[in-house]
Amino acid sequence: EAQVTQNPRYLITVTGKKLTVTCSQNMNHEYMSWYRQDPGLGLRQIYYSMNVEVTDKGDVPEGYKVSRKEKRNFPLILESPSPNQTSLYFCASSRGQGGSYNSPLHFGNGTRLTVT
Amino acid sequence: RKEVEQDPGPFNVPEGATVAFNCTYSNSASQSFFWYRQDCRKEPKLLMSVYSSGNEDGRFTAQLNRASQYISLLIRDSKLSDSATYLCVVNLFGGAGSYQLTFGKGTKLSVIP
Repeated sequence: EAQVTQNPRYLITVTGKKLTVTCSQNMNHEYMSWYRQDPGLGLRQIYYSMNVEVTDKGDVPEGYKVSRKEKRNFPLILESPSPNQTSLYFCASSRGQGGSYNSPLHFGNGTRLTVT
Repeated sequence: RKEVEQDPGPFNVPEGATVAFNCTYSNSASQSFFWYRQDCRKEPKLLMSVYSSGNEDGRFTAQLNRASQYISLLIRDSKLSDSATYLCVVNLFGGAGSYQLTFGKGTKLSVIP
């Protein structure tokens, strides 16, 4: 089954404790992206990657890191989480510009992160 | 002007009603457009792409108005199961080699028995 898989689904952690949220897709998609969603603010892009070893900042990259060493994986790293990073996070992938400009995004199930 | 703008709603409509949402975008060069549906606390799911000539999928009709820079979604014969938030998504910068999707904040629809 074609899918984007995020783990974990729920995570509660404390301020300053490094964490990684994994994202994997099995559709051979070139483009991958991370979003956070907060009430009243909609989906905001954190980082995105057009292809392996190519990553770029989105709208709200502060406090986050990503890597794209393999095509299928795009982990999101919080080196020192803070309470303002409590949010619902989504990973997404698509064929991106390698397919056509009309390539839709496919989303993972989401990770609900709470930082206390 | 916000890049992709939607009326947040909520739209409260009775079952069987027809409801329409609009979404405006800021860049006239934008090339691709989508409507997504998002249920509470779940991932957004593609509802339909929006094509230049307009397109229909069952009770759902999407249209593009390039002159006025908006897209629309029409839902006919609303069902309770249509209750969700509808997200407008635009590839704002268009053109070859450009792929940067921007989301509206969503329009909330509640279909009432």
